[in-house]
Amino acid sequence: ETGVTQSPTHLIKTRGQQVTLRCSSQSGHNTVSWYQQALGQGPQFIFQYYREEENGRGNFPPRFSGLQFPNYSSELNVNALELDDSALYLCASSLQGAANEQFFGPGTRLTVL
Amino acid sequence: AQSVTQPDIHITVSEGASLELRCNYSYGATPYLFWYVQSPGQGLQLLLKYFSGDTLVQGIKGFEAEFKRSQSSFNLRKPSVHWSDAAEYFCAVGSNTDKLIFGTGTRLQVFP
Repeated sequence: ETGVTQSPTHLIKTRGQQVTLRCSSQSGHNTVSWYQQALGQGPQFIFQYYREEENGRGNFPPRFSGLQFPNYSSELNVNALELDDSALYLCASSLQGAANEQFFGPGTRLTVL
Repeated sequence: AQSVTQPDIHITVSEGASLELRCNYSYGATPYLFWYVQSPGQGLQLLLKYFSGDTLVQGIKGFEAEFKRSQSSFNLRKPSVHWSDAAEYFCAVGSNTDKLIFGTGTRLQVFP
């Protein structure tokens, strides 16, 4: 059974650029959630995708957007990067339904200069 | 507002000593409560969770946590800490197992 994988591991961008982060969910999972973890902070929920549609969103601006594909993998896109977007971006997959544990990937470290 | 507070930013213990990490939450509905651990360069790993029932829950790696509704707390404990327990620990709350609200974390350092 393959766990949650994320790519790339690290990424450096400059302010104003756009970035795409990728996540492959664990086998059998149909739901992907994205979290932002700034340095020294806990993860913050960005949004969740289920059946290729957004299924809940945290307090993040529209320049944070996502996709989920038929194979349940997912992308997080961030436009017009700002310095404060520098963070570890975590993807978690789960099987939709109450009490189903979500499993986290190792994250993508994004640095915005 | 829904929130999680972990009052201890950094805790240092000796190997073999007991451990208690504090967590307080504010949540309108009956919460699901979680403790996760994060080692450097790793994602989050679930240690234990509370949904309902027995307020003392057992998790992996010898950890346990007690839900106290009257105190809005869900403290994590371990009777004897191992050097490999050094990591960042996060308490989280939610209405389900996802879309979680996390605390700011407690960094645990273990001395031999």
